[in-house]
Amino acid sequence: SSELTQDPAVSVALGQTVRITCQGDSLRSYYASWYQQKPGQAPVLVIYGKNNRPSGIPDRFSGSSSGNTASLTITGAQAEDEADYYCNSRDSSGNHNWVFGGGTKLTVL
Amino acid sequence: QVQLVQSGSELKKPGASVKVSCKASGYTFTSYAMNWVRQAPGQGLEWMGWINTNTGNPTYAQGFTGRFVFSLDTSVSTAYLQISSLKAEDTAVYYCAREANWMLDYWGQGTLVTVSS
Repeated sequence: SSELTQDPAVSVALGQTVRITCQGDSLRSYYASWYQQKPGQAPVLVIYGKNNRPSGIPDRFSGSSSGNTASLTITGAQAEDEADYYCNSRDSSGNHNWVFGGGTKLTVL
Repeated sequence: QVQLVQSGSELKKPGASVKVSCKASGYTFTSYAMNWVRQAPGQGLEWMGWINTNTGNPTYAQGFTGRFVFSLDTSVSTAYLQISSLKAEDTAVYYCAREANWMLDYWGQGTLVTVSS
């Protein structure tokens, strides 16, 4: 199996830039996807692949990866970006398995 | 447009069973795998496994074998999650999520299953 590690909480001032990171061995082989979840709502995909945004996701969201670390960057954070963010990727077993990070609570000050 | 619509909240007693449905629309159901994800109260997302919508073959993550069953009815583009011998610790929101090209791109709205005597 494999694990993905995220900081439990991060804060950012309104309009500033914040980076949320995700670490794990599987990220050396697979890209991470990132999901935003607001209270009482289902997760929403915000970044996938090398650095791709689904339709409707603002371009202030971007993704990057280096070694065993994937990052989600929000450039010019807005109040509506306050949410939980989860990374996920295939695990390193070679099977068709997914693994999620523990999630990061983003607070916009 | 792609939609995954799940069945409504359930309140069950310990030892009972529950079956959650996930009805897909807006795409060819058998062209995409379906995954199931659990979220216990106040906790993170936990991958439960997936089902091949072409063959009906399920794969279960560690910790989700035995009491958990994934199934399909392709005639109505619906995936099912059945949990038997319910325990209090099964209380959670259960999500179905479509898998496409190395991502879970569409999610159902979630189904809250509460297990309480």
